[in-house]
Amino acid sequence: AQSVAQPEDQVNVAEGNPLTVKCTYSVSGNPYLFWYVQYPNRGLQFLLKYITGDNLVKGSYGFEAEFNKSQTSFHLKKPSALVSDSALYFCAVRPRSYNTDKLIFGTGTRLQVFP
Amino acid sequence: GAGVSQTPSNKVTEKGKYVELRCDPISGHTALYWYRQSLGQGPEFLIYFQGTGAADDSGLPNDRFFAVRPEGSVSTLKIQRTERGDSAVYLCASSLMVEGEQFFGPGTRLTVL
Repeated sequence: AQSVAQPEDQVNVAEGNPLTVKCTYSVSGNPYLFWYVQYPNRGLQFLLKYITGDNLVKGSYGFEAEFNKSQTSFHLKKPSALVSDSALYFCAVRPRSYNTDKLIFGTGTRLQVFP
Repeated sequence: GAGVSQTPSNKVTEKGKYVELRCDPISGHTALYWYRQSLGQGPEFLIYFQGTGAADDSGLPNDRFFAVRPEGSVSTLKIQRTERGDSAVYLCASSLMVEGEQFFGPGTRLTVL
């Protein structure tokens, strides 16, 4: 079965420190990979995506993600966390299939950045 | 507005009732998607449209759920004989084309009493 795992329910980090939010996936082939962020009472917002090419992808708000094919991982990173980064983060994959265009989401990781 | 809009933002209904949830995609977006997000979970795919036709409805949980997009723009998700387990946030997304970035609306929170 195709799935996405976010092993940490919550990640706590001090403001100014680097952060990592982990994601691994189990999908056949070479899927597209995404990170979305969800703030309270707001819709999911796109952060970044990996399609092909350079394994380090840069996205919105200073976030980046590193694709590792051998480990089937796509961890989200930021060199210096801000309190305003506190939110719920979702990793998602889209299988490269001719007959579907759905996103498969992980269960989410709550990021808490402390001042 | 420029984004995906969904109405109503909240819907409370009684078990057994019929509900309709509406999604207005970003103008010009040909692909439209419905997801359902239960508390503490990630969004789960329900159905997606390419134009007027449902290209993949494999995520619909049962035949009580149905969605339409008659003119290739606005979509309505219809739930018959609602059950308490249907309570969730229903998310709509649209993209300019299939395999494009999906833009999400704020969701409709459905509560079935």
